[in-house]
Amino acid sequence: SQTIHQWPATLVQPVGSPLSLECTVEGTSNPNLYWYRQAAGRGLQLLFYSVGIGQISSEVPQNLSASRPQDRQFILSSKKLLLSDSGFYLCAWSYGADPYEQYFGPGTRLTVT
Amino acid sequence: AQSVSQHNHHVILSEAASLELGCNYSYGGTVNLFWYVQYPGQHLQLLLKYFSGDPLVKGIKGFEAEFIKSKFSFNLRKPSVQWSDTAEYFCAVTPGNYGQNFVFGPGTRLSVLP
Repeated sequence: SQTIHQWPATLVQPVGSPLSLECTVEGTSNPNLYWYRQAAGRGLQLLFYSVGIGQISSEVPQNLSASRPQDRQFILSSKKLLLSDSGFYLCAWSYGADPYEQYFGPGTRLTVT
Repeated sequence: AQSVSQHNHHVILSEAASLELGCNYSYGGTVNLFWYVQYPGQHLQLLLKYFSGDPLVKGIKGFEAEFIKSKFSFNLRKPSVQWSDTAEYFCAVTPGNYGQNFVFGPGTRLSVLP
């Protein structure tokens, strides 16, 4: 069966520090991968998605970047965090042939102080 | 740009009451529509989806949704809710041309009182 992992579960970082959140999927190959941010009362905002290694599409211009160095690994990064980067970050995957049912990970709660 | 609105922020019902959660989207072309649910302490999971065909879609746990193209709506319904339906419900849309750019609504929190 397929599983999705995200770490860390919680993170407190000072303003101006770098960020690296990791997401990995097991049990499938060539998945579509997604990064979302969930803000209280505002639902999920799609940040990036990837349909293959090295292929990243950005939905919202901001202080973050994403990379996919391996087939089942998706990394969300920032060089310098802003207070506004605080939030709950969710990774999700879907089958390449059926992109519409997404499977979500447990999420990372990021607090920028 | 696409957007999705959900009519209610928080809905409180008693068990056995009927449920209807509103969802409207703004997009002029063909769309795919979804309802996701997040139970307390669990991951988001798909409840039901609409791609084409019969506008009345049935999902898991007795939920259904009706796509009304003229109203740009995709409302979620359940004839009799249970305490276990307490969760947050999200409506989402993607363009129909195999688009990956999912747009989610802000969510509706449902509380079912025993």
